[in-house]
Amino acid sequence: EIVLTQSPATLSLSPGERATLSCRASQSVSSYLAWYQQKPGQAPRLLIYDASNRATGIPARFSGSGSGTDFTLTISSLEPEDFAVYYCQQRSNWPEYTFGQGTKLEIK
Amino acid sequence: QVQLVQSGAEVKKPGASVKVSCKASGYTFTSYGISWVRQAPGQGLEWMGWISAYNGNTNYAQKLQGRVTMTTDTSTSTAYMELRSLRSDDTAVYYCARVELGYCSGGSCYDYWGQGTLVTVSS
Repeated sequence: EIVLTQSPATLSLSPGERATLSCRASQSVSSYLAWYQQKPGQAPRLLIYDASNRATGIPARFSGSGSGTDFTLTISSLEPEDFAVYYCQQRSNWPEYTFGQGTKLEIK
Repeated sequence: QVQLVQSGAEVKKPGASVKVSCKASGYTFTSYGISWVRQAPGQGLEWMGWISAYNGNTNYAQKLQGRVTMTTDTSTSTAYMELRSLRSDDTAVYYCARVELGYCSGGSCYDYWGQGTLVTVSS
């Protein structure tokens, strides 16, 4: 099983600041990594797939990078609606696409 | 527009079974698969399994093998997830999500999710 480790567990920032979230895989997943945003009481929302491709309708302030075992989700300038929990998901080991444990992005 | 609509909340006793439905609309059901993901209260996302709506092939998480069964009814574009021998740690919100039939090769994988179904296991 591929294990994904996200860091930090909690990130406290203010609107307008830049957010950098990390996801590390226990073995190479090439570029087969996705990122999701989840708000309380809602289903996850796909943000990024294949490490760096924005999903339909996702604002340009969200970007993804990385390959192999180390990946980053960057939010260039935080909007109030961006404060949520973010999950990474590996899509290398079909079809068992496991998730990281999440990073909570909270308002400072 | 693509929609996945799940059945309502359930309360079950330990040892019982639950069957959650996920009705799809707005796309060709048999051209995709359905994956089930659950989330225990205050916890992260756990991949449970996958079913092809094209041919019914399934793959389940190792820890759920023998207790979970995923099926589809192509006549109603509905997917089902049945979990048996329920325990208290099965208490969670259960989600269905649309996925591709094979490897996720683009943005049409986990792009649409159901609203979630809360299953509570309590004596």
